[in-house]
Amino acid sequence: NAGVTQTPKFQVLKTGQSMTLQCAQDMNHNSMYWYRQDPGMGLRLIYYSASEGTTDKGEVPNGYNVSRLNKREFSLRLESAAPSQTSVYFCASTLTSRATDEQFFGPGTRLTVL
Amino acid sequence: AQSVTQLDSQVPVFEEAPVELRCNYSSSVSVYLFWYVQYPNQGLQLLLKYLSGSTLVKGINGFEAEFNKSQTSFHLRKPSVHISDTAEYFCAVLSGGSYIPTFGRGTSLIVHP
Repeated sequence: NAGVTQTPKFQVLKTGQSMTLQCAQDMNHNSMYWYRQDPGMGLRLIYYSASEGTTDKGEVPNGYNVSRLNKREFSLRLESAAPSQTSVYFCASTLTSRATDEQFFGPGTRLTVL
Repeated sequence: AQSVTQLDSQVPVFEEAPVELRCNYSSSVSVYLFWYVQYPNQGLQLLLKYLSGSTLVKGINGFEAEFNKSQTSFHLRKPSVHISDTAEYFCAVLSGGSYIPTFGRGTSLIVHP
């Protein structure tokens, strides 16, 4: 099992460009999450999907959109990138939406917006 | 509302010394508590979790944590650290029926030879 995979690993964008971050899990998990990690800020939730067909906003959703393409895949789109979106982005998944479930994380995408 | 505070942003320590990474949480209801570790250039992985029962929780790589309800703390400890323990450590809390954890800002553990 690959677990949670993310592509790309690194990306440099210019202000105003768009891109999609891809995430896939092969653990048959129902719930998936997108976080951003900034120095000294910990992890902040951008969007999550409790199950296939549903998505909800997290703490910092502005400037992002998501698509839960199927049970395996959950993508994050930046329509018009801004320097404030320079960050490390992590995708995670859990088996269910129970509070006791462990979150499994991907390796991250390091995004720089110039 | 749930929140978590990691009191130290950075903890330097020498190899084979003991270490404690501090975590305090704020919640008016029962909580679930987690510690995750992030090695350089990797994603987070679970070290240990407290759900209920014994307040002393043992995790992977020799780490343990103690849930203290009266002090609203969940400090992480290891009696003897290795160079390989150098990483970022995150405390996380869940409460009030939520399944979305709130993460602390992280503590960078730096183990010197």
